[in-house]
Amino acid sequence: SQKIEQNSEALNIQEGKTATLTCNYTNYSPAYLQWYRQDPGRGPVFLLLIRENEKEKRKERLKVTFDTTLKQSLFHITASQPADSATYLCALSSGNTGKLIFGQGTTLQVKP
Amino acid sequence: GAGVSQTPSNKVTEKGKYVELRCDPISGHTALYWYRQSLGQGPEFLIYFQGTGAADDSGLPNDRFFAVRPEGSVSTLKIQRTERGDSAVYLCASSSSRVSNTEAFFGQGTRLTVV
Repeated sequence: SQKIEQNSEALNIQEGKTATLTCNYTNYSPAYLQWYRQDPGRGPVFLLLIRENEKEKRKERLKVTFDTTLKQSLFHITASQPADSATYLCALSSGNTGKLIFGQGTTLQVKP
Repeated sequence: GAGVSQTPSNKVTEKGKYVELRCDPISGHTALYWYRQSLGQGPEFLIYFQGTGAADDSGLPNDRFFAVRPEGSVSTLKIQRTERGDSAVYLCASSSSRVSNTEAFFGQGTRLTVV
């Protein structure tokens, strides 16, 4: 069955450092991969989308890579700030439907 | 409204009761999704509407769960004979595209507690 794995343990880093979050998947060939941010008590908020034929995507301090051979995506936040503290979710889709399959999320804590 | 609106924000019900959860999507969005999220987990897909019809209901756990979107806008998720295991946050999302090459906008969720 399809499986998506994100770091289950919280990631704690110092302000100003680069945070790197991992999303691995098996038994799936996604056409798109999305990253969302979720704060406690709130719904997920879209951050970035990357297509299967794209290796890398950037938006301000965010960078996403997508390696369909390794079946892995890396999500980077450079110059991290305490306000970046949240849970980050990766989501995959096949492209012919709106259905997203989410990982369990990784909680990031940026300390001042 | 400016975003996806879900009501109520919180719902406490007794085991065996019937509940309805409402979702008001972003105006003009044809795609609407329901997800369920348990503590410490990512959202789990339930059902997807394109317009008025359910295009994919493969995530509904059993026949106690049903959803409608009669006019292609507001949607209602209905749960019959609620069980304690139904306790979770139910999230609604909408999108302007019928395929997942664009972002989904989520509501704040309805926290359902079955006691």
